[in-house]
Amino acid sequence: DQQVKQNSPSLSVQEGRISILNCDYTNSMFDYFLWYKKYPAEGPTFLISISSIKDKNEDGRFTVFLNKSAKHLSLHIVPSQPGDSAVYFCAASDSGTYKYIFGTGTRLKVLA
Amino acid sequence: DTGVSQDPRHKITKRGQNVTFRCDPISEHNRLYWYRQTLGQGPEFLTYFQNEAQLEKSRLLSDRFSAERPKGSFSTLEIQRTEQGDSAMYLCASSRLQGASYGYTFGSGTRLTVV
Repeated sequence: DQQVKQNSPSLSVQEGRISILNCDYTNSMFDYFLWYKKYPAEGPTFLISISSIKDKNEDGRFTVFLNKSAKHLSLHIVPSQPGDSAVYFCAASDSGTYKYIFGTGTRLKVLA
Repeated sequence: DTGVSQDPRHKITKRGQNVTFRCDPISEHNRLYWYRQTLGQGPEFLTYFQNEAQLEKSRLLSDRFSAERPKGSFSTLEIQRTEQGDSAMYLCASSRLQGASYGYTFGSGTRLTVV
């Protein structure tokens, strides 16, 4: 039972353009959501979070949008840079547990 | 803040052998988590500790797996009688008790290869 889904295994974007990574979840109890970035041979690195009381959170080039009714979130990277090339995971948690469930990841390639 | 440290980084073992991994979390973090990641998958939850108490174990954690966190500091994950299906990256993470929005800080992982 995959509670957090990232249906696009890979995405290629031209440098300077917008990257949009999508994530869907099924558990309506989830109320905290995170995005992580992972380079090969390293652990995931925290990028940005959003709680269910908000529908948008921004941090520099990264913006996360949450649509609770659709159980959907997305990460926008503007402008995309070659150094953004990595695997991106979304993760969701029910604040009662603080245990995050991760999606399968989307490999982003930013082309110079 | 030296981050989350995991040892060893790589481990190759023969099927049937026992292995033990160590994780040193960020010192002020109360919670410690173990995840496993296989190729093409996201990290899968195994277990977590709040201080020294093990609060939840995933059904992925068979009887051959045991985790400890004595004194609420470092943690060990032991796998007994390893099988080829245990080959994966084992990730440790830690977090503050409050505020799920802080997320986890992950270590670099231990890559286990069972031959």
